[in-house]
This record gives sequence, structure tokens and C-alpha cells, in this order.
Amino acid sequence: GAGVSQSPSNKVTEKGKDVELRCDPISGHTALYWYRQSLGQGLEFLIYFQGNSAPDKSGLPSDRFSAERTGGSVSTLTIQRTQQEDSAVYLCASSLPATDTQYFGPGTRLTVL
Amino acid sequence: AQSVTQLDSQVPVFEEAPVELRCNYSSSVSVYLFWYVQYPNQGLQLLLKYLSGSTLVKGINGFEAEFNKSQTSFHLRKPSVHISDTAEYFCAVVFGGAGSYQLTFGKGTKLSVIP
Repeated sequence: GAGVSQSPSNKVTEKGKDVELRCDPISGHTALYWYRQSLGQGLEFLIYFQGNSAPDKSGLPSDRFSAERTGGSVSTLTIQRTQQEDSAVYLCASSLPATDTQYFGPGTRLTVL
Repeated sequence: AQSVTQLDSQVPVFEEAPVELRCNYSSSVSVYLFWYVQYPNQGLQLLLKYLSGSTLVKGINGFEAEFNKSQTSFHLRKPSVHISDTAEYFCAVVFGGAGSYQLTFGKGTKLSVIP
């Protein structure tokens, strides 16, 4: 079946602009995760959604970052007033229940000029 | 603090030679352990995982890893590497066992296979 898909694959934006990154999880996966991969920090957890429960936002680096998951499926990660340090690859993953294997999408490479 | 350490940032190895990529974690709680591979400009692909049971786990592409609880290690091995194994390898841990979900990653090891 289809894997996790993310769009866009690349995004170049100017400092101060808002961006939206999209993730389509594997059909039937109830858990969805966002991670960030950057040269300085490696791979970092950002946020976790499980069903209709309140999301775990403990990894979001600032209040400029937010995410939502509509209808228990597609998720959007929004970064407001982007800064150069936001440049990174943003990875989405999904799984059946939490603690099951997380399957990753190809990522969105964000470049903030 | 709970952390994951990959001791080698880069490992060069000749084709058909064996390789071991090291991973250690610091925690006294239950863990689930994973190895992921990332090819250039691609996402992460699961190689293998340890959740419970036998401490020797086999994965895709001929890789295997052994969980050593006393040494808090989960080293990845392959007896004979191919050019196509050139990639970056990440060790990842879920700390706390059942009910936990956040993956904590090591910094990665870049494996370069030399013809």
C-alpha cells in the first residue's frame, strides 16, 4: 500500500513568512508524528497525535510552531514568521498504536533565506 | 537524562568486508530499540527493531543487531557489505516501553562502502 507522503518536497521561503507543511499518513494509522532533522541538532521529536486525544506538543521549539490533524488523518505543520534557524528537513511518521513501528515519509526540506 | 550515542560519525569499509555500527543508550527504564537507514535525499527506512524476546534480531538487507541490556547497547552488524549499503544509519530508542512513543535518535553514522 501507499506509504507516508509529504508535500511539498522542497520549500524555499523568505525570513518572516509563514509556511505550511502537509503530511498524509498511511491509511488506518492512528498515530502521527512530526520530527525535524537539522545539521546542528540531528533528529528531534516535535509533536505527536493519537486518535482524538490531545496532542503531545512537548517537542515544539517555540510558539511559532503549531500543528493540527484533521479528521484523524492528514496533518499540517505550520511555522509562523520563519527564521533562518528553522531551515531543516521536516519528517512525518505514522504508526498503528503508539509504540508500534513508525513509518517515515520522504520529508520536506525547508530553506529560509 | 535519557540519550542515545552513536560512537562513530563516519565508518569507511571495503566492499564485502564486515561492518559493525555501534549504538549505546543511557537509561534504566524499559526500551524499544530501532535501526533506521537513510539514503541520500530520502526519508528513514526501518532496518530492524527490538521490542522483546530474542536479543538477536534480523532485519532487511542482511543486517542484524543484538540487544545487550547489561551494556545498554544495540550494535548493528552485517557480515559482508555492498556498495548499495552506502547510507546514513540511525539508532533510535523509545524509552519507557509500553505506552511510550517518542523516538530519541542518535546523531547517525555515515557508512561509506569502498569498491
